[in-house]
Amino acid sequence: SAVISQKPSRDICQRGTSLTIQCQVDSQVTMMFWYRQQPGQSLTLIATANQGSEATYESGFVIDKFPISRPNLTFSTLTVSNMSPEDSSIYLCSVALGLAGRGEQFFGPGTRLTVL
Amino acid sequence: AQKITQTQPGMFVQEKEAVTLDCTYDTSDQSYGLFWYKQPSSGEMIFLIYQGSYDEQNATEGRYSLNFQKARKSANLVISASQLGDSAMYFCAMRKDTGRRALTFGSGTRLQVQP
Repeated sequence: SAVISQKPSRDICQRGTSLTIQCQVDSQVTMMFWYRQQPGQSLTLIATANQGSEATYESGFVIDKFPISRPNLTFSTLTVSNMSPEDSSIYLCSVALGLAGRGEQFFGPGTRLTVL
Repeated sequence: AQKITQTQPGMFVQEKEAVTLDCTYDTSDQSYGLFWYKQPSSGEMIFLIYQGSYDEQNATEGRYSLNFQKARKSANLVISASQLGDSAMYFCAMRKDTGRRALTFGSGTRLQVQP
């Protein structure tokens, strides 16, 4: 398994500001994923972050709003920029383990963001 | 494109009884994985069980088992001997074995275990 930590665990922010969420994994992983879970909803993939390359964003998510860094194989950050109340969500990072595409996928504890 | 369907928004079960949470999926991929996660009110996503599409036997992890019926494209989660601590949201998800390996989630089922 993987031990994943996220900082901060929760935050309350004012609209128009930005928040950077950190994700740290206890082992080297190729792919890290960032998900958003809006209140009462399921998880939606924001982007895939590979070390040494630009993140790949899903439809509806753009780099200017959600810039991502992946400086090494154990760490990534997600920034939520120019926040509005609609950005209030749980943000989770995730890593996939295993060989040849198989195996478990684990999540960090999440960052609960409230935008006022 | 992949799609996961969970048709039970909420389920009740008596403590110590077994419960089945339904999950059907749609994909054109031949090689993929199916997952179940538990999400308590704290918001963390707890990995429960994984089933590969080519695995011949159904996956089991303690009180959790996955009833995998490939021809019917279903991957139901069975929880045996329910406990009060099992009350949570449960999400079914799938991931293809090639490419970006990102998970696609269903809408979830809220399970409440009654004493």
